[in-house]
Amino acid sequence: EIVLTQSPGTLSLSPGERATLSCRASESVSSNYLGWYQQKPGQAPRLLIYGTSSRATGIPDRFSGSGSGTDFTLTISRLEPEDFAVYYCQQYGSSPRFSFGPGTKVEIK
Amino acid sequence: EVQLLESGGGLVQPGGSLRLSCAASGFTCSSYAMSWVRQAPGRGLEWVSIIYSGGGSTFYADSVKGRFTISRDNSMNTLYLQMHSLRAEDTAVYYCAREVPGSGNYDYWGQGTQVIVSS
Repeated sequence: EIVLTQSPGTLSLSPGERATLSCRASESVSSNYLGWYQQKPGQAPRLLIYGTSSRATGIPDRFSGSGSGTDFTLTISRLEPEDFAVYYCQQYGSSPRFSFGPGTKVEIK
Repeated sequence: EVQLLESGGGLVQPGGSLRLSCAASGFTCSSYAMSWVRQAPGRGLEWVSIIYSGGGSTFYADSVKGRFTISRDNSMNTLYLQMHSLRAEDTAVYYCAREVPGSGNYDYWGQGTQVIVSS
């Protein structure tokens, strides 16, 4: 069973700062199948990155993804006020077929 | 414009049943893999089930296997989740979502429908 762990649990930053979010898998994940989502209170998740590094439609280029194997990273180059939210990584694999990490909350410092 | 609209949630007693619907517009539901994902109050996201395009293969999370059934009506362009033997731990907002082809990730999500299992 592939378990995703995200760190830190909470990231306190100021607008304009750089955010680096980590997602670690208990087993190797194909780079084709690792994605990142943003979720704000009361809203559905929004896909930011799929296939480790491809930005979804309409996602600004301050969001970037990287990584391979068991270690993946979402970077927000300069935080905008609307970027403060919870971020989830998600993988597609064998068992369980799909799983999400527990999330990283990016809050205003 | 792609849209997904869930309905059918509500309050149900433990052991009861409920059927959720997800009406798709702006694309043909049967041409994409479609999933249900849920989120318990104050918790993270949990994948529930998927139905693939073409042959319509289905898969389930262990937590719902044998109790939930995913299906779709191509004529109605609608996805369903039939839920039986509901438990308190099934209480959540249920989202339907469309997969980016071949990626295992989801690019469009509905607004969610609330299911509360309580006596």
